[in-house]
Amino acid sequence: DAGVIQSPRHEVTEMGQEVTLRCKPISGHDYLFWYRQTMMRGLELLIYFNNNVPIDDSGMPEDRFSAKMPNASFSTLKIQPSEPRDSAVYFCASSLGALGEYFGPGTRLTVL
Amino acid sequence: KNEVEQSPQNLTAQEGEFITINCSYSVGISALHWLQQHPGGGIVSLFMLSSGKKKHGRLIATINIQEKHSSLHITASHPRDSAVYICAGRSGGGADGLTFGKGTHLIIQP
Repeated sequence: DAGVIQSPRHEVTEMGQEVTLRCKPISGHDYLFWYRQTMMRGLELLIYFNNNVPIDDSGMPEDRFSAKMPNASFSTLKIQPSEPRDSAVYFCASSLGALGEYFGPGTRLTVL
Repeated sequence: KNEVEQSPQNLTAQEGEFITINCSYSVGISALHWLQQHPGGGIVSLFMLSSGKKKHGRLIATINIQEKHSSLHITASHPRDSAVYICAGRSGGGADGLTFGKGTHLIIQP
């Protein structure tokens, strides 16, 4: 298995632009998580899905952030409009039940 | 709100030393994860514990449920063990998202 796949690996954009991050979980996994890592706050949970349904989005910072999971093999995290404080590494992870998460390589987002 | 506290924040040791990283967690957390983040940024899950002790190679993780405390030990440390080690807690019996500690930046010098 290729593991969790994220794209793009790096994204540089200007303030105000829309950013879309993509994730393909490991086949057969029923949970998908989006995390954000910054120097100031460390790793934080943004949202997670179970069987494509959003379960907890309390970590999503504000309405500029949205996430979707249209099917079991694909999820997106969208930021519109982006701001410099959104600069971070965004990780997607998937798991089969509570058996432990497999992390993707992350997307390093820089908003100028 | 779930909380996870980790110590030390930074640790430098000589090759061969026995390493211990500690983690305390709040009521409500039922499972502890230890993660390793390499200098390149990738995150690998090392252990998931809800009781007792687990061992994988030179890595040992223990958890004391009564004291709400977990430790990660590295025996015969090696420079390739240099990484950030992160303790993370999960609440309930399901797969709620993780609450992370701040991480321990470990450097093993040759």
